[in-house]
Amino acid sequence: RKEVEQDPGPFNVPEGATVAFNCTYSNSASQSFFWYRQDCRKEPKLLMSVYSSGNEDGRFTAQLNRASQYISLLIRDSKLSDSATYLCVVTVGGSYIPTFGRGTSLIVHP
Amino acid sequence: SQTIHQWPATLVQPVGSPLSLECTVEGTSNPNLYWYRQAAGRGLQLLFYSVGIGQISSEVPQNLSASRPQDRQFILSSKKLLLSDSGFYLCAANTITPNTGELFFGEGSRLTVL
Repeated sequence: RKEVEQDPGPFNVPEGATVAFNCTYSNSASQSFFWYRQDCRKEPKLLMSVYSSGNEDGRFTAQLNRASQYISLLIRDSKLSDSATYLCVVTVGGSYIPTFGRGTSLIVHP
Repeated sequence: SQTIHQWPATLVQPVGSPLSLECTVEGTSNPNLYWYRQAAGRGLQLLFYSVGIGQISSEVPQNLSASRPQDRQFILSSKKLLLSDSGFYLCAANTITPNTGELFFGEGSRLTVL
């Protein structure tokens, strides 16, 4: 079983739709969780950190479920510019090594 | 805030030729440094990481090597490139203090081995 798993998609949604991605992790000692966005042929950039209490930034909401060992990303009112690959990143407590999921591809169409 | 400079941005190299990719970090001291590779349509594979000058840990066996001659300089090298070395190479850093766990990436180096 991979340490961090994501559905690769693509998720194909119309503008204005709400879309959600999940990411599961295998190590219960995981402590830090992030969502990154990667545009085609570009470097990943931090979208948001994921806190135990959940967090929201505009149209984006991230949640952590420690019991079931997954994090989620919800995007409301999708824009064409949201089209990208969304990477889940998990770091085990005390480790120097962030582990990336393979990413979920989102395509928002008119 | 941190800035990661990485070069060259693009290179095309013949099989068997050497490689040197360089990465420098601004805006922080004593960062953890990482080299990742991303093959076309694939996820990020960690190649090397470093927690200090001269300290290199390798995650996968390969014909690549890494060095950290200065606190904020990280170099990826190969003596003889293979076709399978083609990919998008990303240098990344995160801070020790504060230890937020957030990774900052350079803009990447796209390598094509022919």
